[in-house]
Amino acid sequence: GQQVMQIPQYQHVQEGEDFTTYCNSSTTLSNIQWYKQRPGGHPVFLIQLVKSGEVKKQKRLTFQFGEAKKNSSLHITATQTTDVGTYFCAGLGTNAGKSTFGDGTTLTVKP
Amino acid sequence: EAGVVQSPRYKIIEKKQPVAFWCNPISGHNTLYWYRQNLGQGPELLIRYENEEAVDDSQLPKDRFSAERLKGVDSTLKIQPAELGDSAVYLCASSSNDRGREETQYFGPGTRLLVL
Repeated sequence: GQQVMQIPQYQHVQEGEDFTTYCNSSTTLSNIQWYKQRPGGHPVFLIQLVKSGEVKKQKRLTFQFGEAKKNSSLHITATQTTDVGTYFCAGLGTNAGKSTFGDGTTLTVKP
Repeated sequence: EAGVVQSPRYKIIEKKQPVAFWCNPISGHNTLYWYRQNLGQGPELLIRYENEEAVDDSQLPKDRFSAERLKGVDSTLKIQPAELGDSAVYLCASSSNDRGREETQYFGPGTRLLVL
């Protein structure tokens, strides 16, 4: 079945440093979604990417979808303490019609 | 607009006991999902409903888990009997899917289950 892997599993940065998490799928995706989950909270939708090579920005966050639609990345510029949490990608397979979540990257930010 | 509502928020039971979780999706959302999230992992889909029809239950352990969404609105997930390994957070999510493709999933706060 479809597998979605995320790296790194954990990332600890100093406030102001940049952060990137990568998402890789074993199969080609129809779309990919990114979610953020704060400690003790539930996943909250951030963005959806659909087109090959698509790049979207939300303030300090930049999301990319690979040309082959099998990988994606989330980059945060100049992290802040409010960025702490676990970032999940969820890939929608072209055949199964369901999204598979990665295991997330947990970001901690030292002030 | 009210979000996805789940109850209870926390549940502690002894193994072999039954337990049930309830979810009320966002009004008008025809797609409802139940996920299980273990510590340090991403949500794992258990079952997905389109209105009252279960369209994907391939990951649901059917020997002990059951779910229903009788009127295509709220849903119940049941475990009977519970095992120690069922301890996890059970998340419900909903989406509109009114354009024929999977839309944003809105998650509820989850039910944190501890089986002793």
